[in-house]
Amino acid sequence: AQSVTQLDSQVPVFEEAPVELRCNYSSSVSVYLFWYVQYPNQGLQLLLKYLSGSTLVKGINGFEAEFNKSQTSFHLRKPSVHISDTAEYFCAVSVDDMRFGAGTRLTVKP
Amino acid sequence: ETGVTQSPTHLIKTRGQQVTLRCSSQSGHNTVSWYQQALGQGPQFIFQYYREEENGRGNFPPRFSGLQFPNYSSELNVNALELDDSALYLCASSLGTSGRRDTQYFGPGTRLTVL
Repeated sequence: AQSVTQLDSQVPVFEEAPVELRCNYSSSVSVYLFWYVQYPNQGLQLLLKYLSGSTLVKGINGFEAEFNKSQTSFHLRKPSVHISDTAEYFCAVSVDDMRFGAGTRLTVKP
Repeated sequence: ETGVTQSPTHLIKTRGQQVTLRCSSQSGHNTVSWYQQALGQGPQFIFQYYREEENGRGNFPPRFSGLQFPNYSSELNVNALELDDSALYLCASSLGTSGRRDTQYFGPGTRLTVL
């Protein structure tokens, strides 16, 4: 069965600093990978997804992620964060159904 | 194009009661999925409907049931509520044309509290 592990439950960073949110997955078959963001009192919004092809995926709001099959990882990065990036971020893997990680709370401080 | 909407926003029930949560998918989206998000956790898949038929189910008991209607609306019903059912319930719709590659569009959720 597939599963997702988000390695950091909380990541505090200063504004304009780079950030990496880590995600590892396990699956015995090929997977599709997603990153979603959840702002307070809102539903989830898709940031980006990996289906096939180039392992570097660019998404909205300046985020990008790299699929690494050998390390079974799909880490999310942004070179310079803003206060408005403060939110909960979820990594997800889709095999038979969508499985989400427990989330990483990104807090951007001024 | 309207997004995914859910009602009600908040709901308080007592143990043993039954509840119905509603979702309106984006027009043209044939697939709707329901998720339970407990506090501090990621969403957990409950089930999925495609063209009014259940076509996938997570590890949830039969007292969780659903319906999907031709007008792109759907319901999640939970019978015999338990305290652990307190959570944010999210519905997500997708086109249903690309299977598990589909992007899911989430509603804002219904916060259910069971006392």
